[in-house]
Amino acid sequence: QKEVEQNSGPLSVPEGAIASLNCTYSDRGSQSFFWYRQYSGKSPELIMFIYSNGDKEDGRFTAQLNKASQYVSLLIRDSQPSDSATYLCAVGDSNYQLIWGAGTKLIIKP
Amino acid sequence: NAGVTQTPKFQVLKTGQSMTLQCAQDMNHNSMYWYRQDPGMGLRLIYYSASEGTTDKGEVPNGYNVSRLNKREFSLRLESAAPSQTSVYFCASSEGGQGYSPLHFGNGTRLTVT
Repeated sequence: QKEVEQNSGPLSVPEGAIASLNCTYSDRGSQSFFWYRQYSGKSPELIMFIYSNGDKEDGRFTAQLNKASQYVSLLIRDSQPSDSATYLCAVGDSNYQLIWGAGTKLIIKP
Repeated sequence: NAGVTQTPKFQVLKTGQSMTLQCAQDMNHNSMYWYRQDPGMGLRLIYYSASEGTTDKGEVPNGYNVSRLNKREFSLRLESAAPSQTSVYFCASSEGGQGYSPLHFGNGTRLTVT
């Protein structure tokens, strides 16, 4: 059973600090990695995707991929209260099936 | 652009009733999906359609049927609703396959089966 694991949280971070969200996956042949944000009662929306080892930056968001250690992270710099949401990690496995984590609830405290 | 449009937004059914959830996308995407989301369980794939004319089962297909009516539309049918089907249902689409293309989600349908 291929798995994607996330700490369910809640992860509480002070406003202005860096929020670090982590995701591990079991299929070593996984090819693509996605982070989605989901506000309470809303649908998931894509934040970032990454395919290659290393870092990918987009504004305040940085995705970090380490295939050797089988983890992907999402860093949110200068965290704002509007970043409070559940963050879903999704991994495209070696069969190009999308495996979802259960999500980490992030709370940014003013 | 509307993106992915789902109807209805809310629905209450009695056990044994049937209904169809409608989904349409205007992004000319090839692939479409139906997911359900239950508290603490994340997103689970019910059915997907990799291209017009094809449909495949996902992780939790029992009790559901789908129709890819054309490239834009992908419907989900519950033939005989059960309380276990109480959930939030999301339709999504992607340009390519689910494993390598980002998904775009509709606003969801909150279904309660009593």
